[in-house]
Amino acid sequence: DAEITQSPRHKITETGRQVTLACHQTWNHNNMFWYRQDLGHGLRLIHYSYGVQDTNKGEVSDGYSVSRSNTEDLPLTLESAASSQTSVYFCASSPGHPEQYFGPGTRLTVT
Amino acid sequence: AQSVSQHNHHVILSEAASLELGCNYSYGGTVNLFWYVQYPGQHLQLLLKYFSGDPLVKGIKGFEAEFIKSKFSFNLRKPSVQWSDTAEYFCAVVPSNTGKLIFGQGTTLQVKP
Repeated sequence: DAEITQSPRHKITETGRQVTLACHQTWNHNNMFWYRQDLGHGLRLIHYSYGVQDTNKGEVSDGYSVSRSNTEDLPLTLESAASSQTSVYFCASSPGHPEQYFGPGTRLTVT
Repeated sequence: AQSVSQHNHHVILSEAASLELGCNYSYGGTVNLFWYVQYPGQHLQLLLKYFSGDPLVKGIKGFEAEFIKSKFSFNLRKPSVQWSDTAEYFCAVVPSNTGKLIFGQGTTLQVKP
């Protein structure tokens, strides 16, 4: 069955380190998204991509970057992790209509 | 800025009680509307969606929602909740001018057996 996966599911890192969170989908969806989930804020959009080589900033993109070299993957990189980036990160994909399909999430702790 | 408001942050109900969770959004144009549910330790799952047509939308597990355009609302309802409905519920909106999903803050529902 087609699916969307994220790895790792849990990560603890130190302030200042570079961290990459993986997102992989097998639906062949063009659109992929990264969100962070924080108490009291719901999910907020970090970056998104509408296809290979396309990336766009979302609402809370500072300190994050993405690259899209193929249809299946949209890795999220924290250039220099900060404690404020402790959060749960969700990847999502969509075939082009508004409905999005979410991955299981990655819980990131920055100490 | 466009936003989505969920008025109830934490709701506690007994089994068999009726549920209504409020959701309002701030965009005057065409919207697509969603309710997602996140069970403890799991990822977001779609409960129901509204794109067009009948404003009363039925979803999975006995949930329904009503789109009232004049009130910019999309409230979620269930006539009789079960302990297994304990979860966090998110309302989300896609305004036609951006095409991007905007989430509300979420409502934590706790159902006591």
